[in-house]
Amino acid sequence: GAGVSQSPSNKVTEKGKDVELRCDPISGHTALYWYRQSLGQGLEFLIYFQGNSAPDKSGLPSDRFSAERTGGSVSTLTIQRTQQEDSAVYLCASSPPRFDEQFFGPGTRLTVL
Amino acid sequence: SQQGEEDPQALSIQEGENATMNCSYKTSINNLQWYRQNSGRGLVHLILIRSNEREKHSGRLRVTLDTSKKSSSLLITASRAADTASYFCATDAWGYKLSFGAGTTVTVRA
Repeated sequence: GAGVSQSPSNKVTEKGKDVELRCDPISGHTALYWYRQSLGQGLEFLIYFQGNSAPDKSGLPSDRFSAERTGGSVSTLTIQRTQQEDSAVYLCASSPPRFDEQFFGPGTRLTVL
Repeated sequence: SQQGEEDPQALSIQEGENATMNCSYKTSINNLQWYRQNSGRGLVHLILIRSNEREKHSGRLRVTLDTSKKSSSLLITASRAADTASYFCATDAWGYKLSFGAGTTVTVRA
C-alpha cells in the first residue's frame, strides 16, 4: 500500500517568505508527527497530532511555526517569515492506533536563502 | 533536546564483517527503536525493544537493552553494501513522540 507522502520534496525560498509543507499519512493512521532534521543531526520533534487535535506542540521552535490537520488525514506545517536557520529536512511520520512504530515519509528539504 | 546518543559517530567495515553501534539515553523509557536512513531522507524502522526486554533479533539484526545502564546496542551481522546508511536510536518515554540521537554513519566497503 501507499506510504507516507510529503510535498514538495524540495523547497527553496527567500528569507522572510512563508512556506507550507504537506504530509499525507497512511490511510487509517490516527497519529501524525512532524520532525525536523538539520544537517548531520538527529531528528528533532516538532508536533504530534492525534486525530485533528495536537496534544503536544512543545517542539515548535517559535510562533512562526504552526501546523494543522484536517479530516484526521492531511497535515500542513506552515513556517512564516522564514529564516536561514529554518533550513532543514522536515519529516512527517504516522502510526496506527496503539502502535509504537512510526512510518516516515521521504521528507521535504527546505532551503532558505 | 536529544536523549539518545550513538557511538561511534562513524563506522567503516568490510563487507561480511559485523557492525556494532551503541546508544545511551538519560531517562526512563517505554521502548527503544532503531531506524535506518539512506541518503539523508526518509527513515525506515528496523526493530523495537521494550523496556522489559533484554534482547531481540530480526534477521541479521540483534538488539540488546540494558535499562540499568540506560544503553542499547545494535549488531548487524554479515554486513552488505546495502547496509551502508545512517542508523539512529530513538527512545519513547512519553508513549508517542520519539527522541533521536545524532546517529551512526555506517559504510560497508566491498
